Amino acid sequence: AQSVSQHNHHVILSEAASLELGCNYSYGGTVNLFWYVQYPGQHLQLLLKYFSGDPLVKGIKGFEAEFIKSKFSFNLRKPSVQWSDTAEYFCAILKAAGNKLTFGGGTRVLVKP
Amino acid sequence: DAGVIQSPRHEVTEMGQEVTLRCKPISGHDYLFWYRQTMMRGLELLIYFNNNVPIDDSGMPEDRFSAKMPNASFSTLKIQPSEPRDSAVYFCASSSRVGGYTFGSGTRLTVV
Repeated sequence: AQSVSQHNHHVILSEAASLELGCNYSYGGTVNLFWYVQYPGQHLQLLLKYFSGDPLVKGIKGFEAEFIKSKFSFNLRKPSVQWSDTAEYFCAILKAAGNKLTFGGGTRVLVKP
Repeated sequence: DAGVIQSPRHEVTEMGQEVTLRCKPISGHDYLFWYRQTMMRGLELLIYFNNNVPIDDSGMPEDRFSAKMPNASFSTLKIQPSEPRDSAVYFCASSSRVGGYTFGSGTRLTVV
């Protein structure tokens, strides 16, 4: 069965700092990859997704992620965070032939003003 | 499009009572998912439907939980009887075969 690992459970940083959240998955076949964000008290929203093509994917709010197939990784990055980026971030994979998302455990990000 | 609509947004109930959570997926989406989110366990998939048919209910915790999808525009998740450990946020999501998921705003359930 496939699984998703997010190594950092909590990240605290200051505004304008750069952010990188790790995501690794275990599945040998073709996958689609997602990052979701959950702001405090809200539902999950799609940040970005990778299906095929350019492995560097740009999403909303200045976020990007890079798919490195050889490392089974899909790390999320933002060069300069804002206080409003305080949220929980979830990485997820979807088997190309399936329709059930498998989520990582999430990373809580706190951006100090 | 109004997105995935869940009701109620908040529910507080006493232990032993029946609870029914409702979800209206996005029109045209043929997959519907019920998730539960807690601090301890994170996001857990409870059950999902394809074309109104339950496909995988292996995440349903126990017989007290049941889910139905009588038509393409409506699903319910029922807990009977409810227990304090069922307190969580329950999310519904829908998708089409080629898209990502769209989540509803969730129902925050508190069982006292």
